[in-house]
Amino acid sequence: QSALTQPPSASGSPGQSVTISCTGTSSDVGGYNYVSWYQQHPDKAPKLMIYEVSKRPSGVPDRFSGSKSGNTASLIVSGLQAEDEAHYYCSSYAGSIIFGGGTKLTVL
Amino acid sequence: EVQLLESGGGLVQPGGSLRLSCAASGFTFSSYAVSWVRQAPGKGLEWVSTISGSGGVTHYADSVKGRFTISRDNSKNTLYLQIHSLRAGDTAVYYCAKVLKGTTVTSFDYWGQGTLVTVSS
Repeated sequence: QSALTQPPSASGSPGQSVTISCTGTSSDVGGYNYVSWYQQHPDKAPKLMIYEVSKRPSGVPDRFSGSKSGNTASLIVSGLQAEDEAHYYCSSYAGSIIFGGGTKLTVL
Repeated sequence: EVQLLESGGGLVQPGGSLRLSCAASGFTFSSYAVSWVRQAPGKGLEWVSTISGSGGVTHYADSVKGRFTISRDNSKNTLYLQIHSLRAGDTAVYYCAKVLKGTTVTSFDYWGQGTLVTVSS
């Protein structure tokens, strides 16, 4: 199983919206509604932000949302805030768990 | 409050062995599958292994199969990862992570702070 494909970087100004994509295949992203997104600040553990494509765990702001179309999932961060600057990783069930390579989100 | 606390990392020579531990609290440990996920310096996340709540079912990434052994002691609320034949490519921060729900590993809702394993001569 190959890693999921994410853009290495994304950016936006405070208050704007940004979308991060995560592309897989019909054997992973396209085949299951088990896409998750994790936020990781430098030298910190990952934090679950979205699971099962579009569900938010308790405590995650509703500025974070997820969607999927075919083999590509997306994380949408609206109303960007300075603290959203971090790496974001997608993952998908594919028999086991596979991760994307990560996207560094910069808040300009 | 759910807490996962890893320990056991360190500097090991190539070919060496190490046992990582993860002490869990704040949830019914035996009711959840738990996993090890690693992150090489400056790189992305890589799933390593998962063990079911009872300990009876284990899964491994192909990259570690035959060298890594996952186990758990539910009486001590502790997860383990025994690592043998260490290679430079195993250098990473190793996280333990609690599976969100069910027996199918689809998401991890809690992560430990990680323990660094460095393989070098």
